[in-house]
Amino acid sequence: NAGVTQTPKFQVLKTGQSMTLQCAQDMNHNSMYWYRQDPGMGLRLIYYSASEGTTDKGEVPNGYNVSRLNKREFSLRLESAAPSQTSVYFCASRVPTGLQQVTQYFGPGTRLTVL
Amino acid sequence: GDSVTQMEGPVTLSEEAFLTINCTYTATGYPSLFWYVQYPGEGLQLLLKATKADDKGSNKGFEATYRKETTSFHLEKGSVQVSDSAVYFCALSDAGEATNKLIFGTGTLLAVQP
Repeated sequence: NAGVTQTPKFQVLKTGQSMTLQCAQDMNHNSMYWYRQDPGMGLRLIYYSASEGTTDKGEVPNGYNVSRLNKREFSLRLESAAPSQTSVYFCASRVPTGLQQVTQYFGPGTRLTVL
Repeated sequence: GDSVTQMEGPVTLSEEAFLTINCTYTATGYPSLFWYVQYPGEGLQLLLKATKADDKGSNKGFEATYRKETTSFHLEKGSVQVSDSAVYFCALSDAGEATNKLIFGTGTLLAVQP
């Protein structure tokens, strides 16, 4: 049981390049999330997916797109990277069964630098 | 909107000292409260949680009590170790909201010296 996995761990892009961050979970969770972590700002939600086939914007969605490919996988795409997107990106998943099941489980993160 | 405020860091302590990291929240509903820990170079791990008022979450010697009257969820540990050095995030999740997204504080860096 690997939990939440993310690839790549590190990436350097030039301004204007595109890339996709991959996330997969093997816990049969319905909900998945993408956050970015910036110094002094905690983590902020970019997009989330409540279930397979659905996606919704979070707090900071501009410049990103997502795909919920199946129940396991939730990818984040940067179509034209900008230096402001330099950050650490975390994927998370959650079992939404009942009001008490609110714990999110996080992947190890992808450290992205845009030059 | 909902928000979390936690004390600024860094917090520097000697081994075996008592730790308190303050966290207060603002929420319109009845949130669940969490402490996550991030060790250097790693992702976030759930440290403890509390889902209703007066609940106490505890794990690895850390404790936090959900205080609705003061809207607080302060993290405490009686005797810290060097291995506790990490960034600690307080967070809330409003179970009544469709996304159940987590709202994080800015994080508090704890450095424990031998």
